[in-house]
Parts: sequence; C-alpha cells; structure tokens
Amino acid sequence: EVQLVESGGGLVHPGRSLRLSCATSGFTFDVYAIHWVRQSPGKGLEWVSGVSWNSDSLGYGDSVKGRFTVYRDNAKKSVFLEMNSLRPEDTAIYYCVKHSSGSFFEGGFHLWGQGTAVTVS
Amino acid sequence: QSALTQPASVSASPGQSITLSCTGSSSDVGSYKLVSWFQHHPGKAPKLIIYQATLRPSGVSNRFSASKSGNTASLTISGLQPDDEADYYCCSYAGGDTFVFGGGTKLTVL
Repeated sequence: EVQLVESGGGLVHPGRSLRLSCATSGFTFDVYAIHWVRQSPGKGLEWVSGVSWNSDSLGYGDSVKGRFTVYRDNAKKSVFLEMNSLRPEDTAIYYCVKHSSGSFFEGGFHLWGQGTAVTVS
Repeated sequence: QSALTQPASVSASPGQSITLSCTGSSSDVGSYKLVSWFQHHPGKAPKLIIYQATLRPSGVSNRFSASKSGNTASLTISGLQPDDEADYYCCSYAGGDTFVFGGGTKLTVL
C-alpha cells in the first residue's frame, strides 16, 4: 500500500523555524516527484514546493520563496521541508503529495498524505 | 503566480450535470496541458480526479470529464450524486518549476 506520512508539525512562534518530514512506503520512491501543498484555515489549497525525482527541478510558491527549502533523501525514502522565518500566515495543514511521474512535466498530483498541522502564533 | 479563478460556489440537483470553470492566463493554463482537478471532502485528503487536462486516473468514475480551451479549463460532473458534494480545485503548471491552484469551488448537491 502506498503511504505518505507527514510529521514535524506543531505550534511555533513567528520568526522561528520548523522542519516537516514526509516518510513514504509502498512505491519506488526515487523515481517520483514529490510536492508540498498547504491549506490555511478557511482557505483553499496552495502549492508550496516541489522536487523532481533527481532534484533537478526544485520549485517554490511566491509566498514561501527564500524562506522554505525542500530536499529529498532517496536512501531514506523521505522528503523534507525546512521552513524558516515563519509567519502567522504560514499556519496551515501541510500535505505531502506524490506526483505520478518523476518530472513535473507530465502526470499530476497523484496521491496525498493526511497532512500535518502547523500553527504559527 | 496568480491564483487561477474558480467560481466560489455552485449548486445542482442529484442526477443533473454541472460544469465547473477554471480560468488562468497564457502563463499557466493557456500554455500547458498540465491542468489537474481535485475533489476535496473536508477533513479528508484531496483526491486527484483529472490530470493532464483531460485524463482520468484509474478508479475515478467516468462521470467526471474535463476539457481545456485557451486559458480556461472545465470539469464536468454528470449524473450528480450526493457524495459529489465537495470542494473542487483546479491546478496548473505555471512554468519555472512552479504550480498554481485555483481558489476552489464548493459544490452543493441539493
């Protein structure tokens, strides 16, 4: 069974840092791109960041560029989101999402984890 | 990265068909086939229902279909069922290794 399990969320003060982890199982991790998507309370989905299978493609949403860093460890079958200079508007549920291909240029956001909640206050 | 434009809410009766729109620009929807649609029941993980503008993942009902013309993508749900009541989001590749979502449409099945 394909699983994506997010962890690392919690309550953090503005200006501080937090690292989210996405542990995966049930598929060949190192051939798929992975994304982070968030949903703030009462708002819609927002793409945060993504990394291709070989990390050649790394992208960030405008609202987090320069503050967040995504990276993957294929040996650990995990993706991480380092979040610095956190703001109250970063408060959201953060979802780890498996793309259906290794690159961003085909397929779609195929499978979603259950999310981890981040509160900046 | 400007969010794609979706109507905030729509409603329809069981058995009817409905079409949801998603309007972007020449920088995203208009330039790439990489448009996806997601169904999101509150409290659950979103579900991919359309990818690459018109393709349905395995296991998704053929009551869901989609198209793209110019800067606008559309999702049609036929034979509406009570369980179709959910939030629907579109998403497009926007160049430069980035993606952009729409604001979402709340579908009410009366």
